[in-house]
Amino acid sequence: NAGVMQNPRHLVRRRGQEARLRCSPMKGHSHVYWYRQLPEEGLKFMVYLQKENIIDESGMPKERFSAEFPKEGPSILRIQQVVRGDSAAYFCASSTRQGQNEQYFGPGTRLTVT
Amino acid sequence: KNEVEQSPQNLTAQEGEFITINCSYSVGISALHWLQQHPGGGIVSLFMLSSGKKKHGRLIATINIQEKHSSLHITASHPRDSAVYICAADPNRDDKIIFGKGTRLHILP
Repeated sequence: NAGVMQNPRHLVRRRGQEARLRCSPMKGHSHVYWYRQLPEEGLKFMVYLQKENIIDESGMPKERFSAEFPKEGPSILRIQQVVRGDSAAYFCASSTRQGQNEQYFGPGTRLTVT
Repeated sequence: KNEVEQSPQNLTAQEGEFITINCSYSVGISALHWLQQHPGGGIVSLFMLSSGKKKHGRLIATINIQEKHSSLHITASHPRDSAVYICAADPNRDDKIIFGKGTRLHILP
């Protein structure tokens, strides 16, 4: 049973380009969470999705960032027109349901904006 | 003030020492998580607690709901335990986990 998978593990983008980060949850998990870890800072919640639904996006920057979790395929975190301040590690986690069920973390995608 | 506070921020110890990392939180929670982040950056979930105590190998996690406090203990520490340990509170009636800033542990051989 594969764990949470994220790809790519490392992504380099120039300012103004788009970044697409993918997260495949664990088998049987229908809840996905995205977190961002800025350099020298703790993890911060970004968005919580279930299949085909965004449940809570209160941690997402209002512009340039979007997330989806389609019926088929991985969850995608999309950052348009990246800026240097977007450089961070982006982690996703999945669970079978919210609340008491444990979240399992992926290895993260390290985004570097040059 | 952070809703989840960890102490110490940094800890260096000799191999074999008993390690304690503390976490205090100010919100009502449904669960508390302890995570481990290795130098390569990946995160592993160690424990999820809602009461009492859990043990896995040399790791022990305890929580006191009344005092809003949790501890992570490592017995017979080893250099491979060197990592950042993160406490995270899963609040009541809310989806968003709140993370502490982490404790950087370095075990010397």
